[in-house]
Amino acid sequence: EIVLTQSPGTLSLSPGERATLSCRASQSVSSSYLAWYQQKPGQAPRLIIYGTSSRATGIPDRFSGSGSGTDFTLTISRLDSEDSAVYYCQQYGSSPRTFGQGTKVEIK
Amino acid sequence: EVQLVQSGAEVKKPGESLKISCEGSGYTFANYWIGWVRQMPGKGLEWMGIIYPGDSDTRYSPSFQGQVTMSADNSITTAYLQWSSLKASDTAMYYCARPSTTTYYDAFDIWGQGTMVTVSS
Repeated sequence: EIVLTQSPGTLSLSPGERATLSCRASQSVSSSYLAWYQQKPGQAPRLIIYGTSSRATGIPDRFSGSGSGTDFTLTISRLDSEDSAVYYCQQYGSSPRTFGQGTKVEIK
Repeated sequence: EVQLVQSGAEVKKPGESLKISCEGSGYTFANYWIGWVRQMPGKGLEWMGIIYPGDSDTRYSPSFQGQVTMSADNSITTAYLQWSSLKASDTAMYYCARPSTTTYYDAFDIWGQGTMVTVSS
């Protein structure tokens, strides 16, 4: 089973700042099958990035993903108050598919 | 509109059985995998497994193998997650989700609203 470790646990930044979230895998993720989800309180998760760097439908271009192998990054270039949420990475290239433990982004 | 609608919240006692549902609409239900994700109170997301309604091919996470059963009924475009004997540790929100394409290797872009299961004596 691939273990995904996200860092930091919590990120507290001001509007307009850049957020960099990390996701490290215990072994290489097949074919860059790495996704990022956003979850706000009381809501279901929402897909924001798939295939490491492709934005899902309707996701603003301030969200971007990068990485390969075992190291992946989600970048939010200019934080907006609506970006306050928990972000999870997930690998879906091998079974069982696994999620990271999440990074909470707080907007000051 | 493509959507997944889950059954309502449940309150059960330890040892009881339960089956929750996830109804798909707006697409050809049999052609898309449907996965289940658990979220315990205040915790992260856990991938439980996935089922292909077209032939009921099911893949479980080892953590959930033998603990739950996934099934699907194409005639009513509904997937199910069931327990034969609930434990208090099954208390969680359960989400069903569907990938954006018909391929197995894809992220979940359609999610149900979640079903809260509470198990308490």
